[in-house]
Amino acid sequence: AQSVTQPDIHITVSEGASLELRCNYSYGATPYLFWYVQSPGQGLQLLLKYFSGDTLVQGIKGFEAEFKRSQSSFNLRKPSVHWSDAAEYFCAVGEQSTFIFGSGTRLSVKP
Amino acid sequence: EAGVVQSPRYKIIEKKQPVAFWCNPISGHNTLYWYRQNLGQGPELLIRYENEEAVDDSQLPKDRFSAERLKGVDSTLKIQPAELGDSAVYLCASIPGGGGKREQFFGPGTRLTVL
Repeated sequence: AQSVTQPDIHITVSEGASLELRCNYSYGATPYLFWYVQSPGQGLQLLLKYFSGDTLVQGIKGFEAEFKRSQSSFNLRKPSVHWSDAAEYFCAVGEQSTFIFGSGTRLSVKP
Repeated sequence: EAGVVQSPRYKIIEKKQPVAFWCNPISGHNTLYWYRQNLGQGPELLIRYENEEAVDDSQLPKDRFSAERLKGVDSTLKIQPAELGDSAVYLCASIPGGGGKREQFFGPGTRLTVL
């Protein structure tokens, strides 16, 4: 069955520290891959996407993600976290018109 | 370009009452989605429209939920009657037509509280 796993429910990092959020998927073929961010009371905003090509993808707000086919992973990274990055992060996979979301990772940032 | 518009943003009702949510997708986006997002969870698909046709409603609880997308533009999602367990955020999303590499654009959602 198709699925997306975000193993970390909640992560706390210090401001200025690096960040890595994990995402693993189970899919029949290589799907399209996405990371979204959701602030309280808001909808989902796309951070970055992978369709094909270079496996290291750059996104908005200084985020990047790396697609590793052998590990079925698409982890999100940021070298230096800002307090404004505190939010919920969702990994999603899909193809054409069908998308599946992970359960999310809540990021807290401490001063 | 305007984004996906949803209304109302918040709704509080008592159980057994009806409720309706409205979504206006981005102009030209043929595919429209309704998702339900429970607290602490990711969005879960309720229904997907291609133009005015519901092409995937397998996860829609049809005994109490209904949806329509007349003229293939705006869409309405209705719950009648609402139950306590329906408290959630209801998200609308859309993508352009044409197939291929596409990303979803989300509205701000409607937060429903059923008392």
